[in-house]
Amino acid sequence: AQTVTQSQPEMSVQEAETVTLSCTYDTSESDYYLFWYKQPPSRQMILVIRQEAYKQQNATENRFSVNFQKAAKSFSLKISDSQLGDAAMYFCAYRSDNNDMRFGAGTRLTVKP
Amino acid sequence: ETGVTQTPRHLVMGMTNKKSLKCEQHLGHNAMYWYKQSAKKPLELMFVYSLEERVENNSVPSRFSPECPNSSHLFLHLHTLQPEDSALYLCASSQALSGANVLTFGAGSRLTVL
Repeated sequence: AQTVTQSQPEMSVQEAETVTLSCTYDTSESDYYLFWYKQPPSRQMILVIRQEAYKQQNATENRFSVNFQKAAKSFSLKISDSQLGDAAMYFCAYRSDNNDMRFGAGTRLTVKP
Repeated sequence: ETGVTQTPRHLVMGMTNKKSLKCEQHLGHNAMYWYKQSAKKPLELMFVYSLEERVENNSVPSRFSPECPNSSHLFLHLHTLQPEDSALYLCASSQALSGANVLTFGAGSRLTVL
């Protein structure tokens, strides 16, 4: 079974600084998709960024970027110029083409003013 | 209204009650999902519907009964629940089932079983 591991239950960052959240996954598939979702205290989970495994180029969305290492099965999220509104739970997720989707246990990010 | 809407936001029920959670999506998506979110645990997929047909049931106890009357609505009927069923129940939808499709989540229904 595919598993997703987030080894950092909690992280904190100073406002305007950069933080990296870790995620590793286990799969025997060659084609799959990786996601980072953010869940603020309001509870609504929203997509932060998506990466297709067949793409070598790391995805970027404004201040959010990923470091996708396919051979190492690693998918970390980098948040640059952290803002107070970035404080939330962050979930890494894996989804195969046959709809097998797995989430990690989450990392709680605190942003200090 | 847009997105995925879940009602109620909070529900407290006794172990002998019968209640339902409702999910509605206004995105024109064809797939809908129920997830259970417990503290410090990964999201647990409960049910998946595609074009109103159930395509996945992850060994969920029969005290949880899903219903998908059309592609825009999804219900989770609850009866004789246990205290360990207390959790946040998230509904999500996607355009289709394939891996590239992003899930759009609702805000969740916080269930407390006394």
